[in-house]
Amino acid sequence: ELKVEQNPLFLSMQEGKNYTIYCNYSTTSDRLYWYRQDPGKSLESLFVLLSNGAVKQEGRLMASLDTKARLSTLHITAAVHDLSATYFCAVEGASGTYKYIFGTGTRLKVLA
Amino acid sequence: DTGVSQDPRHKITKRGQNVTFRCDPISEHNRLYWYRQTLGQGPEFLTYFQNEAQLEKSRLLSDRFSAERPKGSFSTLEIQRTEQGDSAMYLCASSAQPNTEAFFGQGTRLTVV
Repeated sequence: ELKVEQNPLFLSMQEGKNYTIYCNYSTTSDRLYWYRQDPGKSLESLFVLLSNGAVKQEGRLMASLDTKARLSTLHITAAVHDLSATYFCAVEGASGTYKYIFGTGTRLKVLA
Repeated sequence: DTGVSQDPRHKITKRGQNVTFRCDPISEHNRLYWYRQTLGQGPEFLTYFQNEAQLEKSRLLSDRFSAERPKGSFSTLEIQRTEQGDSAMYLCASSAQPNTEAFFGQGTRLTVV
């Protein structure tokens, strides 16, 4: 069964610093999504990655996908307080199903 | 607003009661998903519909849970004989087709007392 793991689970960082969140998954898939969730709110789609080597960027966030390594990264550049949230990766389409399996989440806190 | 809509937003119920939640997906989306999320965890897959057909159901879903999507439009999730462990946020999502992201509703927060 597909497992999706993220690390770190918690991340506290200073404003202006860079950091990377990692998402590993256990079975073959070439469809991976990143979501953001603010406390008490629902999930907001950030990035859609649909092929090996895909890279997407929006503002201070950049996501990439390596399907051979079964690894996706979410890189944060020059963090700002507004990026504080929980970030989830989700894998779709593993083993012939169309459900989205979510990672454990990374709770990010950016300190001023 | 053309997003995914869920009702109610909050539900408090006594243990042993039945509850039903409704989800209205984005109108042109034929895929609909139910997830459960507890504090500090990622969304956990419950079940998935393509149009009116329920194509997959999590093994974690006990017989007390049932979902329907009549006519392939809105969906309902019913929990019978609620238990305290059912307390969670229940999220509905829809997507148009494979290779697209799922869009989530605001969720129904269930508290079983």
